[in-house]
Amino acid sequence: EVQLVESGGGLVQPGGSLRVSCAASGFAFSSYAMNWVRQAPGKGLEWVSSISGSGDYTYYADSVKGRFTISRDNSKNTLYLQMNSLRAEDTALYYCAKLRSEIAAAAANYWGQGTLVTVSS
Amino acid sequence: DIQMTQSPSSLSASVGDRVTITCRASQGISNYLAWYQQKPGTVPKLLIYAASTLQSGVPSRFSGSGSGTDFTLTINSLQPEDVATYYCQRYNSAPHTFGPGTKVDIK
Repeated sequence: EVQLVESGGGLVQPGGSLRVSCAASGFAFSSYAMNWVRQAPGKGLEWVSSISGSGDYTYYADSVKGRFTISRDNSKNTLYLQMNSLRAEDTALYYCAKLRSEIAAAAANYWGQGTLVTVSS
Repeated sequence: DIQMTQSPSSLSASVGDRVTITCRASQGISNYLAWYQQKPGTVPKLLIYAASTLQSGVPSRFSGSGSGTDFTLTINSLQPEDVATYYCQRYNSAPHTFGPGTKVDIK
């Protein structure tokens, strides 16, 4: 059974940093690309970042480019999102999602429950 | 960047009705389109990928069609458990933009 468990969310001040993680199990982690998708309270889904199965290719939304870094440790079956220079508008539930392919040009067929990031003073 | 729009933004229909949601891309995306269902308080669920391929385990009353810039999600015979917000997403190239969503409820 595929499981994705996010952790690391919390309250952080504007300008601060946070790293969220996603522990994956139940599938060959290194064979699949992964996404981070966020959802602000009461709002729609926003794609944040993708990474290929090997970790060689990464992609970012313009809203986070230069501030967020996606990475993965295939030996630990874990996906990460390092978030720096956080802003109030980054407040959201952050989901990790497994894609259907090793490459990022694929739909997300499994989603975690999300971890809440709140940016506020 | 390619923009994604959806119409309508919300709809109300009766149980058993056929419901159609449209998603439009500002440029052609071939068939690199997915549809997701998000029920209140729950995680998004993949319904359709490659514009028209039904994800395993999804009821056959859901179907998708389209290619290029215009896509459709159809629910044949709407059921009470289909109350949700439906999102399209393009994934041909980054950014993998989601549509704004269509909220479906029962009349």
